[in-house]
Amino acid sequence: EIVLTQSPDFQSVTPKEKVTITCRASQSIGSSLHWYQQKPDQSPKLLIKYASQSISGVPSRFSGSGSGTDFTLTINSLEAEDAATYYCHQSSSLPITFGQGTRLEIK
Amino acid sequence: EVQLVESGGGLVQPGGSLRLSCAASGFTFSSYSMNWVRQAPGKGLEWVSYISSSSSTIYYADSVKGRFTISRDNAKNSLYLQMNSLRDEDTAVYYCARGRPSYAFDIWGQGTMVTVSS
Repeated sequence: EIVLTQSPDFQSVTPKEKVTITCRASQSIGSSLHWYQQKPDQSPKLLIKYASQSISGVPSRFSGSGSGTDFTLTINSLEAEDAATYYCHQSSSLPITFGQGTRLEIK
Repeated sequence: EVQLVESGGGLVQPGGSLRLSCAASGFTFSSYSMNWVRQAPGKGLEWVSYISSSSSTIYYADSVKGRFTISRDNAKNSLYLQMNSLRDEDTAVYYCARGRPSYAFDIWGQGTMVTVSS
């Protein structure tokens, strides 16, 4: 099973700040890494697919990078509505696995 | 509008059974693979099961193998999860999500809560 480890687990940030969340895979997964945003009492929403591909309707301040074992989700100029938990997800091999999540709090 | 709507959750005793449903609309359901993903209270996401568009390929997480059965009815645009021998640790919100195992999950339902407790 491929283990995904996110860092940090929690981050408190101010609006307009730049945020970086990392996801490390226990073995190489190429670009088969996706990012989701989950707000309280809502279902997850796809933000980035295949490490860096943008999703229609997602604000351009969200971007992704990386390949192999190390991946990054970047949020430029954070807005209050970005308060949420962010998860990475690998689709390289079964079982499908998710990172433990990174909770972003807006100060 | 592309939409997935889960139903069938509730309170069940350990050892009991429950059948979840997921109704799809706004897209050609029969062309898409589907999944169940769960989230225990205050915890992260856990993939549960996958079914291909034609039901020819099915996968399960080890934690539910032999107890849960995924199925679909393309004529009714519906996905199902039959859950037997339920345990306390199966307590979670269960989401249906669209996507193949090698793809991102691009559409998620709102979830249905399953509570296993005596």
